[in-house]
Amino acid sequence: NAGVTQTPKFRVLKTGQSMTLLCAQDMNHEYMYWYRQDPGMGLRLIHYSVGEGTTAKGEVPDGYNVSRLKKQNFLLGLESAAPSQTSVYFCASSYAFGQRGADTQYFGPGTRLTVL
Amino acid sequence: RKEVEQDPGPFNVPEGATVAFNCTYSNSASQSFFWYRQDCRKEPKLLMSVYSSGNEDGRFTAQLNRASQYISLLIRDSKLSDSATYLCVVDTGRRALTFGSGTRLQVQP
Repeated sequence: NAGVTQTPKFRVLKTGQSMTLLCAQDMNHEYMYWYRQDPGMGLRLIHYSVGEGTTAKGEVPDGYNVSRLKKQNFLLGLESAAPSQTSVYFCASSYAFGQRGADTQYFGPGTRLTVL
Repeated sequence: RKEVEQDPGPFNVPEGATVAFNCTYSNSASQSFFWYRQDCRKEPKLLMSVYSSGNEDGRFTAQLNRASQYISLLIRDSKLSDSATYLCVVDTGRRALTFGSGTRLQVQP
């Protein structure tokens, strides 16, 4: 099993450009999450999904959109990139939430995005 | 006030030492608590879940104090390989988790 994979690993954008980050998991997990991590700060939740076809806003959703058309994939879109979106983006998935032994979040390796 | 607060460190300790980290959280309704480990430029990985008053896994012991709303992590007999950032994680009550900024540990030979 590959676990959670993310593409691309690195990307440099110019202000105003758009891009999509892809997250894929092969563990049949219901829950998927997108976080961003900035220096000196904890991971902050951007959007999450509790199942195929559903999405919900997290702590810092502005400037991002997401889609979960297939259970195994969770896409994060930046429609018009801004320098403030320079960050490391992590995707995670879990089988459940709040259920002992089933709510571990497994993370992908991250995408390092720089917006100039 | 941040939802989850941790001392950023760094904690510099010699091999074999015992070190403890504390974390406080603000949401009294939180039910799930975790410690994750993050190596430099890597993804976070679950170290321990904390579901009751405390649990132990080898050299690691996690404790939860609901009344005072804090969680602790104790590492005994520190190894060089324990050097990492330790993230305190708490559920928000809205099917999402809040991560602390992390406490950096450097174990020295």
